[in-house]
Amino acid sequence: AQTVTQSQPEMSVQEAETVTLSCTYDTSESNYYLFWYKQPPSRQMILVIRQEAYKQQNATENRFSVNFQKAAKSFSLKISDSQLGDTAMYFCAFSGNTPLVFGKGTRLSVIA
Amino acid sequence: KAGVTQTPRYLIKTRGQQVTLSCSPISGHRSVSWYQQTPGQGLQFLFEYFSETQRNKGNFPGRFSGRQFSNSRSEMNVSTLELGDSALYLCASSLAPPTGIQETQYFGPGTRLLVL
Repeated sequence: AQTVTQSQPEMSVQEAETVTLSCTYDTSESNYYLFWYKQPPSRQMILVIRQEAYKQQNATENRFSVNFQKAAKSFSLKISDSQLGDTAMYFCAFSGNTPLVFGKGTRLSVIA
Repeated sequence: KAGVTQTPRYLIKTRGQQVTLSCSPISGHRSVSWYQQTPGQGLQFLFEYFSETQRNKGNFPGRFSGRQFSNSRSEMNVSTLELGDSALYLCASSLAPPTGIQETQYFGPGTRLLVL
């Protein structure tokens, strides 16, 4: 069975600084997707970024980028120029031939 | 395009009652998945429906059931409610293919259920 591990339950970062959230996963599948979702205090789960396993190039979306290391089964999220609105729970998720599997989440606080 | 909508947003029930939650997916999405989110267990997969058929099921008791209608709208039902069923129930829809890897899932705002 697939597992997703987020080893940082809580993190904080100063506004305008850069922060990296870690995620590792375990799977025997070769083709899959990885996601980062953000859940602000309002509770709406929002897709931040997506990575296809067959693509070597790391995905980027504006201030958000990932470092995808397929051999190491690592998928970290980098947030540049952190903003107060980035304060949220961040979930790493794996999607293969089974339903979406989530990590436990990292609570990120952006401090003014 | 309108996003995933869920009704009701908040619900208070007592033990032993039953509850029905509704989810309307993004237009064109045929797959609807349900998740339970609690502080202790995190996000847990309940079930997925595709073209009115349950395609996957998580490890939940039979008190949890669901269905999908021909317009892709979905409902989930919890019977004989227990205190431990208090949670945020999230619905997600996707442009899932008939088989193979799940496509990106887009989430609704959730239904907060409190069981007293």
